[in-house]
Amino acid sequence: NAGVTQTPKFQVLKTGQSMTLQCAQDMNHNSMYWYRQDPGMGLRLIYYSASEGTTDKGEVPNGYNVSRLNKREFSLRLESAAPSQTSVYFCASGGLAGRRETQYFGPGTRLLVL
Amino acid sequence: DQQVKQNSPSLSVQEGRISILNCDYTNSMFDYFLWYKKYPAEGPTFLISISSIKDKNEDGRFTVFLNKSAKHLSLHIVPSQPGDSAVYFCAASDSEAGGTSYGKLTFGQGTILTVHP
Repeated sequence: NAGVTQTPKFQVLKTGQSMTLQCAQDMNHNSMYWYRQDPGMGLRLIYYSASEGTTDKGEVPNGYNVSRLNKREFSLRLESAAPSQTSVYFCASGGLAGRRETQYFGPGTRLLVL
Repeated sequence: DQQVKQNSPSLSVQEGRISILNCDYTNSMFDYFLWYKKYPAEGPTFLISISSIKDKNEDGRFTVFLNKSAKHLSLHIVPSQPGDSAVYFCAASDSEAGGTSYGKLTFGQGTILTVHP
């Protein structure tokens, strides 16, 4: 039982390049999330998927797209990377604890855009 | 507009003593609160949560207190251990219209806890 896995662990891009961050969970959770963490700031929500087949914008969606490929997988795509997207990206899946949800996080992807 | 704030960037305590981490929020719609612990180069790990219908929740050495009137919550760690040294994030969510079961989280900036042997 791996929980939430993310690939790659680390990536360097040049400005304008594109890439896709992969996330998978094996906990049979319905909801999945993408966050970014910048120095001195908490995690900020980029996009989320409440269930398979649905996606919605979070607090900072500009410059990103997402795909909920199936119940297990939720990918984040940067079409044209910018230095402002240098960050650590975390994927999470949400499981119910009683009536409310607790989110479980992957190990993160460190992205450097030059 | 920072809806969840952790005003202390860092906290240093001696092993065996109590660690108290604080968090304030401004959005009165928040009704579920969580604490996460994060080690370097790892993802956040869920610690403990509390619903707004309670004012206290305990789990072993960890206790979370909620003061709804002050819009303040705190995490107490007793006794503190060197392995508790990490960044601690508080997070909040609201139950959206219709009582949907998923919860978008709003995080504070984090507090770095250092526990000295």
